[in-house]
Amino acid sequence: SSELTQDPAVSVALGQTVTITCQGDNLRSYFANWYQQKPGQAPVLVIYGKHDRPSEIPDRFSASRAANTASLTIAGAQAEDEADYYCNSRDTSGGTVFGGGTKLTVL
Amino acid sequence: QVKLEESGGGVVQPGTSLRLSCATSGFTFSSFAMHWVRQAPGKGLEWVAVVWYDGGNKYYADSMKGRFTISRDNSKNTLYLQITSLRVEDTAFYYCVRDWEAAPRYYFGYWGQGTLVTVSS
Repeated sequence: SSELTQDPAVSVALGQTVTITCQGDNLRSYFANWYQQKPGQAPVLVIYGKHDRPSEIPDRFSASRAANTASLTIAGAQAEDEADYYCNSRDTSGGTVFGGGTKLTVL
Repeated sequence: QVKLEESGGGVVQPGTSLRLSCATSGFTFSSFAMHWVRQAPGKGLEWVAVVWYDGGNKYYADSMKGRFTISRDNSKNTLYLQITSLRVEDTAFYYCVRDWEAAPRYYFGYWGQGTLVTVSS
């Protein structure tokens, strides 16, 4: 199996831009997908594949990848973006692995 | 619209077995890979297993091999997860999840609300 590493917590001032990262060797071969989870709710897919967004996800959410690091960027963070964010990607054994999650605080 | 509804959770004793079910509607169940993902209270997400659209291929997280069995009944539009020899550390919300696309790409696009399994003596 493989591992994905995320910073446990990140904060951003309201209206500013924030980047959440996800690191792992399998990201050299596979893209990361990103999920937002608010307290008491199921996760929601926000980015999948190279940089696709479900239609209901605002375009302030974007993604990129460089070497073994995937990034989720929120441009102009809003109060409603405060949540836990998780990445996942394929692993080499036919399954998938999640990162440990990043708690985003909007100040 | 896509609906996923888990059931079968509850408080169980260590060493016992449990079968979770996920009733689905709003899409052609037999065309999509389906997954179970779990989340211990206050912890992160952990992928459990996947079963492909026809039940022919199944993959498990390394830590889930042996005690967890995923299955599906396409005639009933229902996904299952059998867990044996339950341990305290299996306490978690168990989510039924559908891939975003028909091909199993591990884009977890649709989630149920989860069913809580509490393993306690």
